[in-house]
Amino acid sequence: NAGVTQTPKFRILKIGQSMTLQCTQDMNHNYMYWYRQDPGMGLKLIYYSVGAGITDKGEVPNGYNVSRSTTEDFPLRLELAAPSQTSVYFCASMQVANYGYTFGSGTRLTVV
Amino acid sequence: DQQVKQNSPSLSVQEGRISILNCDYTNSMFDYFLWYKKYPAEGPTFLISISSIKDKNEDGRFTVFLNKSAKHLSLHIVPSQPGDSAVYFCAASASNNDMRFGAGTRLTVKP
Repeated sequence: NAGVTQTPKFRILKIGQSMTLQCTQDMNHNYMYWYRQDPGMGLKLIYYSVGAGITDKGEVPNGYNVSRSTTEDFPLRLELAAPSQTSVYFCASMQVANYGYTFGSGTRLTVV
Repeated sequence: DQQVKQNSPSLSVQEGRISILNCDYTNSMFDYFLWYKKYPAEGPTFLISISSIKDKNEDGRFTVFLNKSAKHLSLHIVPSQPGDSAVYFCAASASNNDMRFGAGTRLTVKP
């Protein structure tokens, strides 16, 4: 049982490049989330999804896009990378109504 | 707006003693509170939670206390062990889709 798998673990992007952060969960969880963590800060919600085909913005969605075509996958897209998007990105999933998120191990992204 | 605050960025305790991690929140709509533990290069892992209808929840060495009137919660670890050394995040939620996290407290348990 792999839980939540994020790829890649590390990535360096140049300003203006695009990339997709992958997130897959094998627990059949309906809820999935993308968070970013900046140094000395708590996790901030970028986007979330309550089920396949449904996505919505979180606290800091600008510069990102998501899709949820299947229950398992919730990729996060950066279209035009900016230095402000340098952060550690965490994907999480949750079974309905128990509030305990299962997090992936994170993707450390640096935009230079 | 920092709705969940952990004012101590770090805490150091001796093995076997009690660790007390604190968290304050501002949003009175929060009705569920959680603690997560994070080791380096890993994602946070769920540790313990409490709903607003309770003032205490215990799970082994971990106890969470909630003081709603003060908008304050704390995590007690007794006895502390070196393996407890990690960053602890407090989180609060008013719905499934609006969980807010504190900045974390780095706990170091010295042997």
